[in-house]
Amino acid sequence: DQQVKQNSPSLSVQEGRISILNCDYTNSMFDYFLWYKKYPAEGPTFLISISSIKDKNEDGRFTVFLNKSAKHLSLHIVPSQPGDSAVYFCAARISGAGSYQLTFGKGTKLSVIP
Amino acid sequence: DGGITQSPKYLFRKEGQNVTLSCEQNLNHDAMYWYRQDPGQGLRLIYYSQIVNDFQKGDIAEGYSVSREKKESFPLTVTSAQKNPTAFYLCASSIGDSSYEQYFGPGTRLTVT
Repeated sequence: DQQVKQNSPSLSVQEGRISILNCDYTNSMFDYFLWYKKYPAEGPTFLISISSIKDKNEDGRFTVFLNKSAKHLSLHIVPSQPGDSAVYFCAARISGAGSYQLTFGKGTKLSVIP
Repeated sequence: DGGITQSPKYLFRKEGQNVTLSCEQNLNHDAMYWYRQDPGQGLRLIYYSQIVNDFQKGDIAEGYSVSREKKESFPLTVTSAQKNPTAFYLCASSIGDSSYEQYFGPGTRLTVT
């Protein structure tokens, strides 16, 4: 049973426009969420995160929004650039001492068209 | 330059052979992880190690084994018992538990024929 879902396998956006990547989760115990970016044949790199005590976190062109009641989060990229073309993974964790596991979604492939 | 190295980048093996994937980190991180990625799939946790000489099974540990004899190293052995070993394998490390960001290596593409 998939606890973190990214229902859009792919997304195409024009350069300069907004990219919105969505993620839904089913486990209400998740209290911390992360977005990773991955280029082909490379390891993922951390992009941005949000704690469940917040509903928004911003870092430059990247903003993550969390709607706890809907168990939904989204990553906004504004403005989108061709270098943003990659696979984006949403991940979630349950905090607590000794909690080591992240649960990842299947990823969304973003293509930014020049 | 601190980071995580995985070698080799591409690995080919015959079915029935065990194969060991290397993962080394010089970040002085206590925790290390092995993930598997299949096409169209997210990252699935195979094993993780919180500290030297200790490791725990993840969601898909069957057919795999690990060791953690040194803080810097966390090799993964894909045994002949693993039914579908062909995949992209990613190693990661973190300072501590999941409160901390995980840093990933570049991955090893294993093909078993």
